[in-house]
Amino acid sequence: EAQVTQNPRYLITVTGKKLTVTCSQNMNHEYMSWYRQDPGLGLRQIYYSMNVEVTDKGDVPEGYKVSRKEKRNFPLILESPSPNQTSLYFCASSSILAGGPGEQFFGPGTRLTVL
Amino acid sequence: AQSVSQHNHHVILSEAASLELGCNYSYGGTVNLFWYVQYPGQHLQLLLKYFSGDPLVKGIKGFEAEFIKSKFSFNLRKPSVQWSDTAEYFCAVKGDFGNEKLTFGTGTRLTIIP
Repeated sequence: EAQVTQNPRYLITVTGKKLTVTCSQNMNHEYMSWYRQDPGLGLRQIYYSMNVEVTDKGDVPEGYKVSRKEKRNFPLILESPSPNQTSLYFCASSSILAGGPGEQFFGPGTRLTVL
Repeated sequence: AQSVSQHNHHVILSEAASLELGCNYSYGGTVNLFWYVQYPGQHLQLLLKYFSGDPLVKGIKGFEAEFIKSKFSFNLRKPSVQWSDTAEYFCAVKGDFGNEKLTFGTGTRLTIIP
């Protein structure tokens, strides 16, 4: 089954404790992206990657890091989480050839709470 | 920079009513436009998309959207809604090739009353 998986689905942590949210897709998509969803703000793009070793900032990259060492994986790293990073995070992927990164497949989401 | 406005934050309709959700975008070049839906507790799914050609686009579940370039709009419509259409709807815009950032609107929560 074609899908985007994220782990963990739920995470409660404390300020300053480094964490990684994993994202993996099995569709051989070139494009991958991370979003955060907050009430009243919709989805905002954090980082995206056009292919392996190619990443770029989205609209709200501060406080986050990403890496793209393999095509299928795109982990999101919070080096020193803060309470304002409490949010619902979505990973998404898309084939560039199939019309561009707009037609994205989304993962189930990771609900992060930073105390 | 591109942006998307969805002016209806929460829409409440009765079953069988007609639906139109507004979406206006701001971008100086050719755009790709999308509507996504998020059912309660689920992740986002693509409803429909516009890349080029016929400005009236038909999507899944009886939804359609019309791209009106002169108005920078891409409104979502459905002639007769069902209770199962209760969800949050997001409009999104991507610029033409070379601008790969996808920008979402803030979403419209749709509640259908049986």
